[in-house]
Amino acid sequence: DTGVSQNPRHKITKRGQNVTFRCDPISEHNRLYWYRQTLGQGPEFLTYFQNEAQLEKSRLLSDRFSAERPKGSFSTLEIQRTEQGDSAMYLCASSPWRDYGYTFGSGTRLTVV
Amino acid sequence: EDKVVQSPLSLVVHEGDTVTLNCSYEVTNFRSLLWYKQEKKAPTFLFMLTSSGIEKKSGRLSSILDKKELFSILNITATQTGDSAVYLCAVNSGGSNYKLTFGKGTLLTVNP
Repeated sequence: DTGVSQNPRHKITKRGQNVTFRCDPISEHNRLYWYRQTLGQGPEFLTYFQNEAQLEKSRLLSDRFSAERPKGSFSTLEIQRTEQGDSAMYLCASSPWRDYGYTFGSGTRLTVV
Repeated sequence: EDKVVQSPLSLVVHEGDTVTLNCSYEVTNFRSLLWYKQEKKAPTFLFMLTSSGIEKKSGRLSSILDKKELFSILNITATQTGDSAVYLCAVNSGGSNYKLTFGKGTLLTVNP
């Protein structure tokens, strides 16, 4: 499979619990992005990696959020002490160097109850 | 703050109709404008536009950018039920060459 893979596809969690999502980008893409999308809205930028370096974090990403991309391959997004407002679709995308035409994954839909 | 506004927010048409979706933007240091189609899940890339007045075409879809008036349109001719989706417009701007600012999207419903 040559697409962007995200796991899990769906996650239901109780408020206050921690959750972790995984993204496997297209193997030759060195750029990886996380976006969040709520109902009726376009995706909003969360963070960006170039290889293993996290180069930018949105102010939307509170201290409860952390993302990693060890060895410049897959990435994880962790949300600690989840709140109901964290309920959203979390999208991962990747692109090669100097190409703005991202390839998105299918997303992880998080529901906090 | 960068802003991307799409109109209309939703649109219902019959198969065979032609539709025009609009995207206007207010950003600093514009680099490119992109259109995506989103069905149930992942947005899929349609077009990237960087130069004014040059139309991009793919089958029944076409798009053009006006950098002077700060807008783009996406045209779909001879619509089919499979065109039903949310169409997202995004702009790459500012000091970064990687972050996209998206509009809210236009929900297109094509009825048989």
